Amino acid sequence: QVQLVQSGTEVKKPGASVKVSCKASGYTFSEFYIHWVRQAPGQGLQWMGWINVNTGDTDYAQRFQGRVTMTRDTSISAAYMELSRLRSDDTAVYYCARGGIYDYWGQGTLVTVSS
Amino acid sequence: DIVMTQSPLSLPVTPGEPASISCRSSQSLLDSDDGNTYLHWYLQKSGQSPQLLIYLGSSRASGVPDRFSGSGSGTDFTLKVSSVEAEDVGVYFCMQALQTPFTFGQGTKLEIK
Repeated sequence: QVQLVQSGTEVKKPGASVKVSCKASGYTFSEFYIHWVRQAPGQGLQWMGWINVNTGDTDYAQRFQGRVTMTRDTSISAAYMELSRLRSDDTAVYYCARGGIYDYWGQGTLVTVSS
Repeated sequence: DIVMTQSPLSLPVTPGEPASISCRSSQSLLDSDDGNTYLHWYLQKSGQSPQLLIYLGSSRASGVPDRFSGSGSGTDFTLKVSSVEAEDVGVYFCMQALQTPFTFGQGTKLEIK
């Protein structure tokens, strides 16, 4: 069965970086983009960007431009989202999701940014 | 950016009764090149990741009960639950996937009366 399994909870200080992984299984990794979406505590969903896992091409939301980097390792069917220069308002659950319709989601990774 | 507006934001429903959620976009979600309408619906249950209910406006995702249906076109869309069950509680989101940045509605919290 299709699964997206994300890395565990992170606690970071302001100014630091965090890298979240998303490991796919149960399907051909190269056939679907991976998108990243975040959800601040008690808030709605915010699109961060996508990576074409076949070519490595990316498209980032303007609000994250310069701070976010999405990469992939096709040899292990994993995608990564790195966010730098963290601020307290980056505290959120970060999700990876498959393709353009998000038919499968990761379980979410809580990133807490606190001094 | 395309703005997505949902209503109502809170929806108390008696079990067995129908429920309806509206989602409006600030511009048409119809892709004139392929004829698809890029509006999807998700349900997020408490403490869980969102799950896909309806894609491309009206197509039910695999495993989704047929009491869920999606309709609409252009800028106006509706998610209907024909007969609400206790397991349907949670927050419902619409999302446009016509153009990046993909954007979501604020969410509609469905609760059981």
